[in-house]
Amino acid sequence: DAKTTQPNSMESNEEEPVHLPCNHSTISGTDYIHWYRQLPSQGPEYVIHGLTSNVNNRMASLAIAEDRKSSTLILHRATLRDAAVYYCILRDPIANAGGTSYGKLTFGQGTILTVHP
Amino acid sequence: DAGVIQSPRHEVTEMGQEVTLRCKPISGHNSLFWYRQTMMRGLELLIYFNNNVPIDDSGMPEDRFSAKMPNASFSTLKIQPSEPRDSAVYFCASRQTLPARGRYEQYFGPGTRLTVT
Repeated sequence: DAKTTQPNSMESNEEEPVHLPCNHSTISGTDYIHWYRQLPSQGPEYVIHGLTSNVNNRMASLAIAEDRKSSTLILHRATLRDAAVYYCILRDPIANAGGTSYGKLTFGQGTILTVHP
Repeated sequence: DAGVIQSPRHEVTEMGQEVTLRCKPISGHNSLFWYRQTMMRGLELLIYFNNNVPIDDSGMPEDRFSAKMPNASFSTLKIQPSEPRDSAVYFCASRQTLPARGRYEQYFGPGTRLTVT
């Protein structure tokens, strides 16, 4: 299983950009990079995912290195509500007899993001 | 859409009692996941279903745990007999699995906080 490495914690100030790094040096060519976050006392929520190209959505941007061995989740303007645990995950391919990949997600410890007012 | 619905939200029970956790996935989703989260072990995948069929139950800790999905709109996770070490937050998540498009966004419920005394 491909694994990811993230810093245990990071801090930011409100209204400033935040760059959350993730290393995945053993990534395979077909692994998608997923980011989830978990707000206090809630279930995880999907943030963004990508394969090779950088991706943007209303929540964040995902910058993927050219060799795909690392990626960075970018929150353009942190708010207090962005304080959460952020998980970088590589989708595990699970093939059944028919060859369809169901791709389970295995969560690591994540990065605890603290946002200061 | 109401999202993934879990019940009960909180459960306190005595050691040795049977506990049943319930989950209603998002309508139209064909994959369902059960996770357990503790401070020590983080977020662990217990079992997941695709089209109501269990695909991977390697995360189920022991025979005291069982999960069923009798139809596309309902799943249960049962612990019998319960033990204090089963105390955790149990999350259910659902997904519309579209392998050809690399779509694997999971939507999590609010969780059930289980305390076994």
